[in-house]
Amino acid sequence: GQNIDQPTEMTATEGAIVQINCTYQTSGFNGLFWYQQHAGEAPTFLSYNVLDGLEEKGRFSSFLSRSKGYSYLLLKELQMKDSASYLCAVQDSNYQLIWGAGTKLIIKP
Amino acid sequence: IAGITQAPTSQILAAGRRMTLRCTQDMRHNAMYWYRQDLGLGLRLIHYSNTAGTTGKGEVPDGYSVSRANTDDFPLTLASAVPSQTSVYFCASSDSIGSQPQHFGDGTRLSIL
Repeated sequence: GQNIDQPTEMTATEGAIVQINCTYQTSGFNGLFWYQQHAGEAPTFLSYNVLDGLEEKGRFSSFLSRSKGYSYLLLKELQMKDSASYLCAVQDSNYQLIWGAGTKLIIKP
Repeated sequence: IAGITQAPTSQILAAGRRMTLRCTQDMRHNAMYWYRQDLGLGLRLIHYSNTAGTTGKGEVPDGYSVSRANTDDFPLTLASAVPSQTSVYFCASSDSIGSQPQHFGDGTRLSIL
């Protein structure tokens, strides 16, 4: 079966750095996505990786290792507004997105 | 502002009733999707549409139907609601079925009693 695993919840301090991990087992691979979802709101796109390596976009970076079925989202200089759930999703061989349950990130002052 | 509009925002429904969730996009995207989001689970695809006139089944299609009469609208119908269909429903769209990212509506919170 297809499976996406990520931690349920993480806590970090304002101004610090946090890494959210995601491991996956899917039928085929056509890219890995990270979305941010604030409570009660819609998911919004953060990043996309299809090749191994690091993609940097401002305070957010995402890493992919296809051989290990592993990705992480790195958030730097954390701000209170970064408190949200972070969703990992993999596009499978049918180009459908398979979603993880999300990691709720709590930022403390 | 371009985007996806879902209606209603929330609804409480008696079991056995019929309900249609509406979704309209103005981005001229070809592909549209319906997901449900339940606590502790990832988003699960219910139905999708590659283009106007075509629809397909996702991971959890039972109890739901969709239609795609035109590019902009993609309604989701629960023919006879059951309590297990209590969930938050998100409509999304993308330029084509394989393209990303997907753009999401604000969701419909549905409670079946």
